[in-house]
Amino acid sequence: KAGVTQTPRYLIKTRGQQVTLSCSPISGHRSVSWYQQTPGQGLQFLFEYFSETQRNKGNFPGRFSGRQFSNSRSEMNVSTLELGDSALYLCASSLLQGGYEQYFGPGTRLTVT
Amino acid sequence: GIQVEQSPPDLILQEGANSTLRCNFSDSVNNLQWFHQNPWGQLINLFYIPSGTKQNGRLSATTVATERYSLLYISSSQTTDSGVYFCAVAFVKAAGNKLTFGGGTRVLVKP
Repeated sequence: KAGVTQTPRYLIKTRGQQVTLSCSPISGHRSVSWYQQTPGQGLQFLFEYFSETQRNKGNFPGRFSGRQFSNSRSEMNVSTLELGDSALYLCASSLLQGGYEQYFGPGTRLTVT
Repeated sequence: GIQVEQSPPDLILQEGANSTLRCNFSDSVNNLQWFHQNPWGQLINLFYIPSGTKQNGRLSATTVATERYSLLYISSSQTTDSGVYFCAVAFVKAAGNKLTFGGGTRVLVKP
């Protein structure tokens, strides 16, 4: 079974631009979560989607948004990029909600200049 | 508040040595996972262990949910064990699959 895939793997953007990252979960998994990893803040939860609905949201500004499609693939969008948005963005998939094991993709490394 | 704390933050080992990494958490959990982050940033699943004991080769883990801690044991360490180890939990009160990560333990195994 293929693992979680994320595209693109690397991205360089300029302040003020917007960016869209994509995540394809493991086949059959219906829950997708997004995390941001920075050296200063560590790994932080962004949001979780299940059955095309956002179920949980972390403490991030409204510039961070996401969605999930009927095939469980998910995208996250960051608008009006700031230098501090430079980070590794990780996507995780899980079969269902409620304490199921999660599997992470390779991540998208975003650099904002 | 809800917290996950890992210790020690850094660990330097000689190849062949054994070590124990600890994860303390502040509330009831329905998921606890241990990950190894590779040099490219991907989180590799080591254990899914909300309670009990598991072993996988030279690695083993124990979670005592009633006392709110988990331990990861590395035996006969190898240089390939180097990297950052994360503990992550899903608190029952948080609902869904939200994982709260500890700060990690950076392990360096010297030949």
